[in-house]
Amino acid sequence: EAQVTQNPRYLITVTGKKLTVTCSQNMNHEYMSWYRQDPGLGLRQIYYSMNVEVTDKGDVPEGYKVSRKEKRNFPLILESPSPNQTSLYFCASSLRSGAGTEAFFGQGTRLTVV
Amino acid sequence: DAKTTQPTSMDCAEGRAANLPCNHSTISGNEYVYWYRQIHSQGPQYIIHGLKNNETNEMASLIITEDRKSSTLILPHATLRDTAVYYCIVRVGPGNTPLVFGKGTRLSVIA
Repeated sequence: EAQVTQNPRYLITVTGKKLTVTCSQNMNHEYMSWYRQDPGLGLRQIYYSMNVEVTDKGDVPEGYKVSRKEKRNFPLILESPSPNQTSLYFCASSLRSGAGTEAFFGQGTRLTVV
Repeated sequence: DAKTTQPTSMDCAEGRAANLPCNHSTISGNEYVYWYRQIHSQGPQYIIHGLKNNETNEMASLIITEDRKSSTLILPHATLRDTAVYYCIVRVGPGNTPLVFGKGTRLSVIA
């Protein structure tokens, strides 16, 4: 089954404690991205990757890092989480960027930073 | 990417067709119209997309006006499981552009 898998689904952590949210897709997609969703602000893109070793900032990249060492994996790294990073996070992948392609989303990771 | 305008919320009776409108009056020639939905706090789900012609798949139909300034997503026989927030997105291509999600339309299907 074609899917995007995120882990963990729920995470509560403390300010400053480094964490990684993993994202893996089994569709051989080149393009992957991370979004965060906050009440009243909708979904906003954090980072994206066009292919292996190619990453770029989205609209809200501050406080986040990503890496793309393998095509299937695109982890989101919070080096020093802060309470304003409490949010619902989604990973997405698609066959290629641009129009005419559908994006597949993971089930989300609800992160709480206290 | 062109801005879209959708009603904040709509109700639909179960078994009836749900018609969700979207205005995108500033759409340009190379921008597609996409529809996604988000059920509760799950990941957004792709529904359908189109450029000029009307499109239909197993989930829905997409009707795009001739001038492309508006479109309608049609769920032919809405069920309770179709209750969700529906997002209309226009997106240029080729090249990288993120999906820019607005506030969408909250569709409530009522028994």
